[in-house]
Order: sequence, then C-alpha cells, then structure tokens
Amino acid sequence: EVQLLESGGALGQPGGSLRLSCAASGFTISSYAMSWVRQAPGKGLEWVAAISGSDGSTYYADSVKGRFTISRDNSKNTLYLQMNSLRAEDTAVYYCAKDGGSYFPGLLGLGYWGQGTLVTVSS
Amino acid sequence: EIVLTQSPGTLSLSPGERATLSCRASESVSSSYLAWYQQKPGQAPRLLIYGASSRATGIPDRFSGSGSGTDFTLTISRLDPEDFAVYYCQQYGYSPQYIFGQGTKLEIK
Repeated sequence: EVQLLESGGALGQPGGSLRLSCAASGFTISSYAMSWVRQAPGKGLEWVAAISGSDGSTYYADSVKGRFTISRDNSKNTLYLQMNSLRAEDTAVYYCAKDGGSYFPGLLGLGYWGQGTLVTVSS
Repeated sequence: EIVLTQSPGTLSLSPGERATLSCRASESVSSSYLAWYQQKPGQAPRLLIYGASSRATGIPDRFSGSGSGTDFTLTISRLDPEDFAVYYCQQYGYSPQYIFGQGTKLEIK
C-alpha cells in the first residue's frame, strides 16, 4: 500500500529556514516523479516543486525558485523540501504527492498524496 | 504562462442532479496532461481523472471527463451526497511546471 507521511511543518520566522520531509512506503521514490504542492489557508492548490524519477532533475514554481530546494534520499525512501528565506506568503499546508510515472511532467496525474504538514511563517 | 480558469466558482445542486464543471485554458494545451482532483474539507486532494478522460483507480463511473484544446469538462452524472466538495483541474505549463485552476466548489442546494 502506497503511503506518504509528511513532517517538519512548524512556525518559522520570516527570512528563516525549515525542512519538510515526506517518508514514502509501498513504492520506491526514485522510480517516480514526486511533487510538493501547497495550499494557503482557505485558498486553492499551488504546485511548488518536483523531482523526476528518471534522472532526478528538479523543477520549481517561480514563486519559490532560488529559495526552496527539493531533494530525495533513496536509501531512506524520503523526499525533502528545504525552504529558505521564508516569507509570510509561504504559509500553507504542504503536501507531497506521487506522480503516476517516472517523468515530469507526467501523464497519469498525482495519484497519491500525503495528509499534509502546516508551515506558518510569522514573527 | 498558461492560466486555467474554472467555472462556475460555486455550483449549487441537489443529490441526484447532473453536475457540469468547466476548465478553460488560456491557450491550447495537450489533453494528455489534463487532470481533475476532488478535495473535501480537511483532506488531501484525490485524483479523479487523468489524460482528460481516463478515470483513476477506484473512481466511480458517474465521474467522466472530456474536452480538448482549451475547453475541458468534468461531469458527474448523478450527484451522490459524498460528491459535494471542491474540484480542481490541473495541466502542465512552460518551465515545465504544474498549474492548477482556482477550483469549483460544489455545494448542496
């Protein structure tokens, strides 16, 4: 059974850093493209970043480029999102999601999602 | 950049009725990458449709997707009480990146 479990959400300071983790089970993350998607309180979904399964290439939304870094540890089957230079507008629930295939962008949609972890940026 | 505009913003219907949700792209896009998601309060999104018209595993056949070019539609043939939720369409854009529509809230009338 595929499961995704996010952690690391917390209260962060403007300009500060946080690292989110997404522990995967039931599949091998290096075989699939993985994404982080966020949702600000009461708002819609915003894609943040992705890493391809095929070659580990990374992709970012313009809103986080240069500040956030997506990575994975294959030995731990865990996905990460390093968040630096935090801003108030980064406040959101962050979901990790599994694509249906190895390539990004994918043809099969984001078929599995974690339960989300809340990041609040405030002084 | 491609923009996905969903309409209506809110749709009020009764159980048993037919729901038609629209997703319009600002320019022609590949239907192969068009997906639909359902999200209920306090829950993560759930994939309903990929490739514009293919149902994801376990999705009831009352859900169907169609469209091409700039206009895509999610249809729920007979609304079940559990179908009242927010629905998002998603496509890939330049860079590349994923883009979501702003969502349609389907509420009980």
